[in-house]
Amino acid sequence: GQNIDQPTEMTATEGAIVQINCTYQTSGFNGLFWYQQHAGEAPTFLSYNVLDGLEEKGRFSSFLSRSKGYSYLLLKELQMKDSASYLCAVRDYDYKLSFGAGTTVTVRA
Amino acid sequence: DAGITQSPRHKVTETGTPVTLRCHQTENHRYMYWYRQDPGHGLRLIHYSYGVKDTDKGEVSDGYSVSRSKTEDFLLTLESATSSQTSVYFCAISESPGNQPQHFGDGTRLSIL
Repeated sequence: GQNIDQPTEMTATEGAIVQINCTYQTSGFNGLFWYQQHAGEAPTFLSYNVLDGLEEKGRFSSFLSRSKGYSYLLLKELQMKDSASYLCAVRDYDYKLSFGAGTTVTVRA
Repeated sequence: DAGITQSPRHKVTETGTPVTLRCHQTENHRYMYWYRQDPGHGLRLIHYSYGVKDTDKGEVSDGYSVSRSKTEDFLLTLESATSSQTSVYFCAISESPGNQPQHFGDGTRLSIL
């Protein structure tokens, strides 16, 4: 099975940087995904890591360390529209996703 | 946006009644998934499909059944709804289970009284 932990809530100021951590304990690892979900909406794909290291995509970056069972999502130059829940999901060898409970980020002016 | 339509978007029903949720896709993707999302639990996989008439159970499949008779449609049925099945249900699709992400529909909010 999978055990995925991420903080419940984080608050940051517009223009700042926020780092959302995700730790996982899995019976098999075959990739890690980050999704963004605005209240009342569908999750949307942000990033994917399968090898160790940093993946950068504009203002968003995601890091993975497989040996530590650890990932983070970095949001730079925060904007009000970044207020949302961020979901960490681990894929197993059967290609099924297991999700963390999500981190709600509130961006304040 | 991925062409995924869930219906209905909202439903209120009574305990013991059957309920069917529909997921329709226009992307011709082989893989389709049903999740439920509850506060404090995140998204949990109910059932998934890897082709027409090919389905398998997920983490929380008890009380649910699925059918996929066409590539574009994946149905989720609650045979006899219970209050514990009150939730938001999301359908997702993916082109392949490899490095392709899953894309989600807008969800169905189901309340069972």
